[in-house]
Amino acid sequence: QVQLVQSGAEVKKPGVSVKVSCKASGYTFTNYGINWVRQAPGQGLEWMGWISAYNGNTDYAQKLQGRVSMTTDTSTSTAYMELRSLRSDDTAVYYCARSYRRVAFDIWGQGTMVTVSS
Amino acid sequence: QSVLTQPPSASGTPGQRVTISCSGSSSNIGGNSVNWYQQLPGTAPKLLIYSNYQRPSGVPDRFSGSKSGTSASLAISGLQSEDEADYYCATWDDSLNGWVFGGGTKLTVL
Repeated sequence: QVQLVQSGAEVKKPGVSVKVSCKASGYTFTNYGINWVRQAPGQGLEWMGWISAYNGNTDYAQKLQGRVSMTTDTSTSTAYMELRSLRSDDTAVYYCARSYRRVAFDIWGQGTMVTVSS
Repeated sequence: QSVLTQPPSASGTPGQRVTISCSGSSSNIGGNSVNWYQQLPGTAPKLLIYSNYQRPSGVPDRFSGSKSGTSASLAISGLQSEDEADYYCATWDDSLNGWVFGGGTKLTVL
């Protein structure tokens, strides 16, 4: 079945980086894009950016420009999201979600909790 | 402060029909399609409605979506206890050049 499986929870100190993975299965990885969406505790959803699994093109949310990088490894059908210079307000559940063109996020990963605390 | 405005809460009794609104502007809802996501407690969001009114395979026809101008609505008929969840609207914003979400509506089935 089509699914996205994310890496496990992380605890990080302020100022360091975190890298979350998202492994796709059940579909042709390069036919879709991968989006990253985060949700702070008790809060709503925030789009972080998108990467084309076909050619690696990216589009990042203005708020995160310069701190976020998204990459893919087509040999393993895995997408990665790296967030640098972590702050306490980056504490959130991070989701990857598949999209076809700019239509909708139709398949979601299970989420990865990232806690930033000194 | 979310770009799209949703009521923070909604409620209904089993069997009732409830609607959830989503208000935006010309740079987002006014010029782009709207999607709706359902997030059950402790789980990842799930696509409920896409392109304003389309239902993915497996979504019951009790769920319907509509859009008019710079607003959109999600309607749930024949309300069931398992519909208790958070609901989010989302669309592309041409000014921000990114996807934007509503703040979410917590639906309680009384």
